[in-house]
Amino acid sequence: GQNIDQPTEMTATEGAIVQINCTYQTSGFNGLFWYQQHAGEAPTFLSYNVLDGLEEKGRFSSFLSRSKGYSYLLLKELQMKDSASYLCAVRAATGANNLFFGTGTRLTVIP
Amino acid sequence: DADVTQTPRNRITKTGKRIMLECSQTKGHDRMYWYRQDPGLGLRLIYYSFDVKDINKGEISDGYSVSRQAQAKFSLSLESAIPNQTALYFCATSDPTGGDTEAFFGQGTRLTVV
Repeated sequence: GQNIDQPTEMTATEGAIVQINCTYQTSGFNGLFWYQQHAGEAPTFLSYNVLDGLEEKGRFSSFLSRSKGYSYLLLKELQMKDSASYLCAVRAATGANNLFFGTGTRLTVIP
Repeated sequence: DADVTQTPRNRITKTGKRIMLECSQTKGHDRMYWYRQDPGLGLRLIYYSFDVKDINKGEISDGYSVSRQAQAKFSLSLESAIPNQTALYFCATSDPTGGDTEAFFGQGTRLTVV
């Protein structure tokens, strides 16, 4: 089975740095994705990790440790528009290679 | 225009009614998916299709059916809607030949069953 855990809610201050953690236990592993979703809107792709280490993309970075079943999304220089839910998703190494999503972390950025 | 388009965007229907949600895409992707999203439960896969006429059950397929008559279109049906099918429904596509193979989502359909 698949089990993906992330905190339900987080609050951070504009201009600060926030780290959103995700732990997973899956039947095989074939990549981890982070998506951003504003309320009532479609999830949009942020990052993809398949090997251990840090992937940096502008203000956003994502880290993966496959041995620990752990990832984090790091958001720097927070802006008010970063208030959204952040979804961790794992692609299981099954024949279908489908994505399994965590419940999402709702981030609120305050002035 | 959006690459993945869902219709309708909002729908209220009565218990027992049949309803169809439509999804069309211009990305040319072979793989298409239907998810539902509920508060506190995240996105859960209902059905997926890897090609025309290919249909596969996801995590929560009971009470739903799908049709993939063309590469660009994937429809989801609720044969007899019930209140616990009230949710936000997303269609998604992906291209397995791409590097990251992330999923691209439609704007969602908010369905309320009363």
